[in-house]
Amino acid sequence: QSALTQPRSVSGSPGQSVTISCTGTSNDVGGYNYVSWYQQHPGKAPKLLIFGVNKRPSGVPDRFSASKSGNTASLTFSGLQADDEAEYFCCSYAGSYTWVFGGGTNLTVL
Amino acid sequence: QLQLQESGPGLVKPSETLSLTCTVSGGSISSGSSYWAWVRQPPGKGLEWIGSLYYTGPAFYNPALKSRVSMSVDTSKNQFSLNLMSVTAADTAVFYCAKLHYDTLTGYIPFDYWGQGILVTVSS
Repeated sequence: QSALTQPRSVSGSPGQSVTISCTGTSNDVGGYNYVSWYQQHPGKAPKLLIFGVNKRPSGVPDRFSASKSGNTASLTFSGLQADDEAEYFCCSYAGSYTWVFGGGTNLTVL
Repeated sequence: QLQLQESGPGLVKPSETLSLTCTVSGGSISSGSSYWAWVRQPPGKGLEWIGSLYYTGPAFYNPALKSRVSMSVDTSKNQFSLNLMSVTAADTAVFYCAKLHYDTLTGYIPFDYWGQGILVTVSS
């Protein structure tokens, strides 16, 4: 069970669109529709942003969207805001009641 | 509103057992659709799933940690616990307890509630 692969960092200006990728294998991301995404501000607990590949929990703005193609999932920000600056983690079900996280991506709003 | 709170020692000696408890409030640990989990985050690094369990068991563990981990539930106290044996400095991390939701209609909603985290340092 290896960690999912995410870019170490991405950046964008306010109002821009940015996408973070999350690459796994057919044993996790590609094999199940259970990819989730989390936002973590420094010193805080992670917060669920997306579950089930592209579903948003109540209260999460629709400018956060997500998708999956093959073994790669993506999280897209439409209209970056200053408060979006944080660490983002993907997570996938990996079979046999196990879960695997990505290494995290640091988003900088320029 | 469901709340989770980790508790336990902040300092553990190498080779000893790290023991943490998560207290659930605002809801029942015996909820039919809730699973309970531990996730850790070494300083400056990413998240690592440690294990999950249902209140009636069994527990499922990260294969990389399986030989050293055990989890349990105490329904009378609305708590669940983590034991990590034979710790080394590499086990120094913020440990989070979290909830997973599962039902047959929605499927899994993983880690929808989190505790605030507790830093555990392994050092002599």
